[in-house]
Amino acid sequence: GESVGLHLPTLSVQEGDNSIINCAYSNSASDYFIWYKQESGKGPQFIIDIRSNMDKRQGQRVTVLLNKTVKHLSLQIAATQPGDSAVYFCAEDNQGGKLIFGQGTELSVKP
Amino acid sequence: ETGVTQSPTHLIKTRGQQVTLRCSSQSGHNTVSWYQQALGQGPQFIFQYYREEENGRGNFPPRFSGLQFPNYSSELNVNALELDDSALYLCASSFSGTGGFEQYFGPGTRLTVT
Repeated sequence: GESVGLHLPTLSVQEGDNSIINCAYSNSASDYFIWYKQESGKGPQFIIDIRSNMDKRQGQRVTVLLNKTVKHLSLQIAATQPGDSAVYFCAEDNQGGKLIFGQGTELSVKP
Repeated sequence: ETGVTQSPTHLIKTRGQQVTLRCSSQSGHNTVSWYQQALGQGPQFIFQYYREEENGRGNFPPRFSGLQFPNYSSELNVNALELDDSALYLCASSFSGTGGFEQYFGPGTRLTVT
């Protein structure tokens, strides 16, 4: 069936370093992808999105890369800060707004 | 913070009971999607409402039902509660039910079934 999965369940980085969170998706028909950040006790917070006709998109301190050949998505966070500590989810949208989420990667930033 | 609100924040119910959760969408959004998030897992799509009609459903039984009102707010109803229904229930609003638009999530309702 359809699935979106993450390669690493946990990631620990030093403050100021760059972070890379990876995601694999299985449905080649998916045309829209979103990264969410979820802090403890809160709902997922939209970070950045990318459509399937793009390979890269940049936001403030974040970059999303999409490799459709290998069905891989990544989120890069520059100069990681303690406030970036959270669980990060990728999600794919290929059925008109039905988002399929992966399990999540927990990012821990050490001061 | 998004403009999506949910109530109540927490709820404790007994197995077999019924529950209603509420969601107010962000201003300008006409679509509400509901998700169930078990502890340590990613959210699972339950269903979506667009212009007061169900517009897609995930792998959830019929005892999960919903409504959307003319002001685009929404309710999620769960009948005959089971222990496995214990989860964080999230609603997300978006601009369109056709997909390809950002979905903004509310803070969620934590449901515990005993």
